[in-house]
Amino acid sequence: KQEVTQIPAALSVPEGENLVLNCSFTDSAIYNLQWFRQDPGKGLTSLLLIQSSQREQTSGRLNASLDKSSGRSTLYIAASQPGDSATYLCALLNQAGTALIFGKGTTLSVSS
Amino acid sequence: DTAVSQTPKYLVTQMGNDKSIKCEQNLGHDTMYWYKQDSKKFLKIMFSYNNKELIINETVPNRFSPKSPDKAHLNLHINSLELGDSAVYFCASSSRDGSSGNTIYFGEGSWLTVV
Repeated sequence: KQEVTQIPAALSVPEGENLVLNCSFTDSAIYNLQWFRQDPGKGLTSLLLIQSSQREQTSGRLNASLDKSSGRSTLYIAASQPGDSATYLCALLNQAGTALIFGKGTTLSVSS
Repeated sequence: DTAVSQTPKYLVTQMGNDKSIKCEQNLGHDTMYWYKQDSKKFLKIMFSYNNKELIINETVPNRFSPKSPDKAHLNLHINSLELGDSAVYFCASSSRDGSSGNTIYFGEGSWLTVV
């Protein structure tokens, strides 16, 4: 059974810092991995998707990596801004494409 | 245009009632999902459904039933609501043929409170 763990559960940083959010998973048989952002009281916004055959994806200040052999993914946020404050969720799509398994998220707070 | 829309956004109802949450997607996707986010913000899949199969998470009580009138809609019907059903319910969709890389798109959530 796939288990997804995100560390840390919460993170507070001053504006301008570069930071890394971690995600680990127990079953490497995945279709893809997605990173989502959730603002308080809002839905989920997809940030980056890495296919099983890929190693990383980049979008603006965000870079996500995937190492299936070690069961790890990281989300790197460069030059953090207060607007980046949100909960970041890592999720794995199983090989059948029938279920997206979520971690419990990392709640990020960026102070100005 | 909203890709995945669900209604109502907020619902407060009494224990024992039956209620439905509607979901529609205009992305042409063939697979839709319902997720439950509990008070600790943990998201768990309840159902995934396409025009061929319904896959149910075995932990979901049979008081919950998905109903799909067509490919673009997957409604969630809940019978005999209990206090523990209070949560945020998210609808989502994706295309299992690999288009858009199987990116899953989520609705904005429906906040259900059972009193």
